Amino acid sequence: EVQLVQSAAQVKKTGESLEISCQVSGYSFPDYWIGWVRQMPGKGLEWMGIIHPGDSETRYSPSFQGRVTFSVDTSMRVAYLHWRGLKASDTALYFCARRSPFSNLFDYWGPGTVVTVSS
Amino acid sequence: QSGLTQPPSVSGAPGQRVTISCTGSSSNIGADYDVAWYRQLPGTAPQVLIADNNNRPSGVPDRFSGSKSGSSAFLAIAGLQTEDEADYYCQSYDISLNSWLFGGGTRLTVL
Repeated sequence: EVQLVQSAAQVKKTGESLEISCQVSGYSFPDYWIGWVRQMPGKGLEWMGIIHPGDSETRYSPSFQGRVTFSVDTSMRVAYLHWRGLKASDTALYFCARRSPFSNLFDYWGPGTVVTVSS
Repeated sequence: QSGLTQPPSVSGAPGQRVTISCTGSSSNIGADYDVAWYRQLPGTAPQVLIADNNNRPSGVPDRFSGSKSGSSAFLAIAGLQTEDEADYYCQSYDISLNSWLFGGGTRLTVL
């Protein structure tokens, strides 16, 4: 069974760094792209970017380029989303999702990690 | 901001049929990139309803159907049920942005 398990909710201060994780199981981690999606409170889904665990190739949405960094640990089957210098506007629910091998959709999703940034 | 435009809300009575539109452009849906539809309940992860414009994954009732025409895609829900109340999102790929895109989302209310 494919599963994506995300790290627990985080409460941080502005200017701090943060890394959240997405641990996968039930399939070959290196072979499928992992995407990250932001959902700000009361708002819609925003595609942040995607990383290929096999070779760490990354593509960032122009809206998030330079603000976040994706990485993976293939030995632990974990994908990471990292911020340096958090802002209050980073407060949101963050999902990781596996890209389908057959199309451009995301077929399996983690439950999301809530990030709260306050001053 | 989103390159895919959806109506913010639609509503219908139980048993009725509703359609949600997703309007893109020549760099995404109009460029023949496939469209997926997701349903999201508050505070939970989105789930795939429709893949590749009109394919239902296993377990999705046939009350849900998708279609595509030109630069637009459509999600139809027949025989509305109260449990259909949720947010619905379309998603495609944009070649000029080199990005995946989500529509702004549509909240379905079953009256």
